[in-house]
Amino acid sequence: DAGVTQSPTHLIKTRGQQVTLRCSPKSGHDTVSWYQQALGQGPQFIFQYYEEEERQRGNFPDRFSGHQFPNYSSELNVNALWLGDSALYLCASSPGHGSYNEQFFGPGTRLTVL
Amino acid sequence: AQSVTQLDSQVPVFEEAPVELRCNYSSSVSVYLFWYVQYPNQGLQLLLKYLSGSTLVESINGFEAEFNKSQTSFHLRKPSVHISDTAEYFCAVSELGGGNKLTFGTGTQLKVEL
Repeated sequence: DAGVTQSPTHLIKTRGQQVTLRCSPKSGHDTVSWYQQALGQGPQFIFQYYEEEERQRGNFPDRFSGHQFPNYSSELNVNALWLGDSALYLCASSPGHGSYNEQFFGPGTRLTVL
Repeated sequence: AQSVTQLDSQVPVFEEAPVELRCNYSSSVSVYLFWYVQYPNQGLQLLLKYLSGSTLVESINGFEAEFNKSQTSFHLRKPSVHISDTAEYFCAVSELGGGNKLTFGTGTQLKVEL
């Protein structure tokens, strides 16, 4: 089992650009959540997808959007990048979305905005 | 809304000494509690969790945490640390009935020295 995988590992963009990050969940998992971890901070919940729809959303602007595909993989899109979007973006998958369902995290994508 | 406080941003300790990492939470409903560990340039790994039952939970590598409802705490302890325990530790909560969205603290950097 490959676990949760994310691509790319690192990414450098300039202000105003758009970026797409990708996540493949652990085998058997149907729920994908995205988190933003700024330097020196704990991860912040962005949103969660299951059944190909956004089900929960944290306090992030509409510039952050996502998608879940029929094979449960997911994308995170960020438009109009600004310097404050520089962070480690973590994807987590789980076998369901109940409070007790453990989340398994991927290694993250390090986004740097110049 | 729930919140998590980790008062200690850094904890230096000598090898084989005991350590306690503090975590307090705030929530208007019952919660599940988690400790995650993050090694440099890696994603998060679940260390241990409290869902129900015994308030003392243990990990396979010697860490333990005790849920104290009256003090709304979930402190992490280890009686004898090893160099390999050097990492960032995050406390997190999810609310019962609120899905498995995690709210994290700001983390505690544990540095084990010889």
